[in-house]
Amino acid sequence: SQKIEQNSEALNIQEGKTATLTCNYTNYSPAYLQWYRQDPGRGPVFLLLIRENEKEKRKERLKVTFDTTLKQSLFHITASQPADSATYLCALGDYKLSFGAGTTVTVRA
Amino acid sequence: GAVVSQHPSWVICKSGTSVKIECRSLDFQATTMFWYRQFPKQSLMLMATSNEGSKATYEQGVEKDKFLINHASLTLSTLTVTSAHPEDSSFYICSARGGGPGNEQFFGPGTRLTVL
Repeated sequence: SQKIEQNSEALNIQEGKTATLTCNYTNYSPAYLQWYRQDPGRGPVFLLLIRENEKEKRKERLKVTFDTTLKQSLFHITASQPADSATYLCALGDYKLSFGAGTTVTVRA
Repeated sequence: GAVVSQHPSWVICKSGTSVKIECRSLDFQATTMFWYRQFPKQSLMLMATSNEGSKATYEQGVEKDKFLINHASLTLSTLTVTSAHPEDSSFYICSARGGGPGNEQFFGPGTRLTVL
């Protein structure tokens, strides 16, 4: 069965450092991989989408890589700020999305 | 752009009553809308997929007679939880496709349902 794993439940980092989150998947060959941000009690907010033929995508301080051989995506937040504190979800699917459990990032000032 | 709203944002009801949740795409026409539920500290679980003018497609294990979905227009889908029970208490979130160039989904803010 399809499985999506995000590296850890929680990640605590110092302001200004780079946060790196991992999303691994098995039994899946998605054409797209997406990353979302979710704040407590709120719906997810779309951040980035990367296609299977793209190695890397950037948006402001965010960078996503997609390695279909390793079946892995890395999500980086550079120059992190306390406002980046949230849960980050990876999602796979061409039409219907399957979500990972999320990694909660806490950025300390 | 690509804003999705949900109403109500929270609701408390008595066991046995029905609750309707609305999901609207405010600035785009949604070709498809999805309904998810999320329990505390868990990820989103897809309940059903809804296309305008056709019957919703439910995921395995989701009771279609309990969770009624109506997709009346390209901007409105409703989820009705019928004869709600305490185990139906959860965070219900809708999303819509069609607001972006790819297949990204845009999510509503969610509805917190508490059944007493």
